[in-house]
Amino acid sequence: KNEVEQSPQNLTAQEGEFITINCSYSVGISALHWLQQHPGGGIVSLFMLSSGKKKHGRLIATINIQEKHSSLHITASHPRDSAVYICAVTPNTGNQFYFGTGTSLTVIP
Amino acid sequence: NAGVMQNPRHLVRRRGQEARLRCSPMKGHSHVYWYRQLPEEGLKFMVYLQKENIIDESGMPKERFSAEFPKEGPSILRIQQVVRGDSAAYFCASSRMRGEHTQYFGPGTRLTVL
Repeated sequence: KNEVEQSPQNLTAQEGEFITINCSYSVGISALHWLQQHPGGGIVSLFMLSSGKKKHGRLIATINIQEKHSSLHITASHPRDSAVYICAVTPNTGNQFYFGTGTSLTVIP
Repeated sequence: NAGVMQNPRHLVRRRGQEARLRCSPMKGHSHVYWYRQLPEEGLKFMVYLQKENIIDESGMPKERFSAEFPKEGPSILRIQQVVRGDSAAYFCASSRMRGEHTQYFGPGTRLTVL
């Protein structure tokens, strides 16, 4: 069983829609990360969370430590948001990341 | 301030050859992580190194794979006698210090084994 589970695996949205991607994890963590990977493969860190909520532009990330759950929201989605979004956690016991399998988002104009 | 650099970006090897992947961390970063992304799969941790030390290699295959991060120069992930199943994207990330959770990723090396 993977330490980090994401849903949905694939998501197609119309431009302008509100998007939510979910992440659940099963280990104790010191931080949770949302990453973005574009076609061609580069990985960019969007957020690092240990509690509460963070906002950056149209992106919002929340975490509920008690429920071991995080969500990434994209408001007013745009085709340039099309990418794979990856949830990763840093466990209490180490420094490496455990990754979800990613959510492939396609935003249609 | 250059980010994490990896080279080569693309590497093609025939079965049985050796592959050497290089990672230069961000300036001021002394911790390096290697991750592998197999086709159609998520990223998996391989190894965590500090200068001249392997801190955690629990994700490394037991044979043919090795990693180093010398005092001078880049970190190197070495794969001996490559097989088709080694074809993947290999990402390096770096952080400034142990316990710092933010990792900065390189662009990856895409290894293709023919």
